[in-house]
Amino acid sequence: EAGVAQSPRYKIIEKRQSVAFWCNPISGHATLYWYQQILGQGPKLLIQFQNNGVVDDSQLPKDRFSAERLKGVDSTLKIQPAKLEDSAVYLCASSLNVGKLFFGSGTQLSVL
Amino acid sequence: QKEVEQDPGPLSVPEGAIVSLNCTYSNSAFQYFMWYRQYSRKGPELLMYTYSSGNKEDGRFTAQVDKSSKYISLFIRDSQPSDSATYLCAFLVEGGKLIFGQGTELSVKP
Repeated sequence: EAGVAQSPRYKIIEKRQSVAFWCNPISGHATLYWYQQILGQGPKLLIQFQNNGVVDDSQLPKDRFSAERLKGVDSTLKIQPAKLEDSAVYLCASSLNVGKLFFGSGTQLSVL
Repeated sequence: QKEVEQDPGPLSVPEGAIVSLNCTYSNSAFQYFMWYRQYSRKGPELLMYTYSSGNKEDGRFTAQVDKSSKYISLFIRDSQPSDSATYLCAFLVEGGKLIFGQGTELSVKP
């Protein structure tokens, strides 16, 4: 069974630039999550999708972050404009059963 | 008070040692209690999953939950160098949202 695919693996940008991350979840998993993990911290939920719909985006900085999940499969997370404090690993996860998340390897973002 | 507090470590032990990793939490609404393991440059992977107070064993790993004290632990027996990773406690709230602790970095020396 293929795992959660994420790209790119690494991204370096300057502040105020924009960046996008892509995620392809495990086939058949209806729930998709984007987490932000700052160095030395645990992952923090940014947004949760159930199929096409948003379940929880309470911690998404909506003035600069946006996410979509078209056709209930792939998802993209965008940051525009990026700030220095956005430097982190962005993890995508999917699940079939509540609580049992499967994570991708993440995109490591450095904002200079 | 933080919703989840995890002993940050880092923790360094010799091979074969018993390891104890701990988290406390304040939210009584947490329904399920999990431990995830995260290797360097990888995403977390689910290690243990339980919903009731008591112990749950899986090979060398034992998860312990004390709901009355709002305290969970993960014990690793006969630790191996391959256990070197960051261990994250995680708590499930209604709706499927997971709240993670900050992680404990474990290093097992041969």
